[in-house]
Amino acid sequence: QVQLVQSGAEVKKPGASVKVSCKASGYTLTGYYIHWVRQAPGQGLEWMGRINPNSGGTNSAQKFQGRVTMTRDTSINTAFLELSRLRSDDTAVYYCARDGLPITGTPVPDYWGQGTLVTVSS
Amino acid sequence: QHVLTQPPSASASLGASVRLTCTLSSGHSSYAIAWHQQQPEKGPRYLMKINSDGSHIMGDGIPDRFSGSSSGAERYLTISSLQSEDEADYYCQTWGIGILIFGGGTKLTVL
Repeated sequence: QVQLVQSGAEVKKPGASVKVSCKASGYTLTGYYIHWVRQAPGQGLEWMGRINPNSGGTNSAQKFQGRVTMTRDTSINTAFLELSRLRSDDTAVYYCARDGLPITGTPVPDYWGQGTLVTVSS
Repeated sequence: QHVLTQPPSASASLGASVRLTCTLSSGHSSYAIAWHQQQPEKGPRYLMKINSDGSHIMGDGIPDRFSGSSSGAERYLTISSLQSEDEADYYCQTWGIGILIFGGGTKLTVL
């Protein structure tokens, strides 16, 4: 069955970078886009960006441009999100999600990772 | 850029039915949306995609107590025979050019 398993919680200082991994199983990573979505404490879902694991091409929300890097390693079926110059308001749970476009016909996350808590604190 | 509007809260009794609403912004009433459920302290879970004609594609393993429909710019999620585990946040989601757009979410309380 399709699963996305993310790396564990991180605690970082302001100004540092964090890299979160998302390992896909039950399907081939290159067949579906991966989205990254975050959720600050008590808040809603915020889309950050997406990667095409086949080509490596990415696009991100304007507010994260210049700070976010999305990559993948197809040999281990894993996608990565790196966020730099961390601030306290980047404290959130970060989720990866598979884009079910080949199945649903439109961009819809049809499987989600379990989430990775990133805490930014001095 | 379009917007999805959801009421912040809803409530219904155990065993009853509830209908949640997601409203697409003006000029985007033909768009499909998806519903995602987020139980307390858990990650989101895809429930279904609903097209403007009301047809829908269910996520894997989603009980048939969950159904979707559409009217104009509104998209609905109906949950019947409410159970305690249905108490959760429900987010609708659509897309723009290369981006995903989420509604603010509706917190459902099962009384």
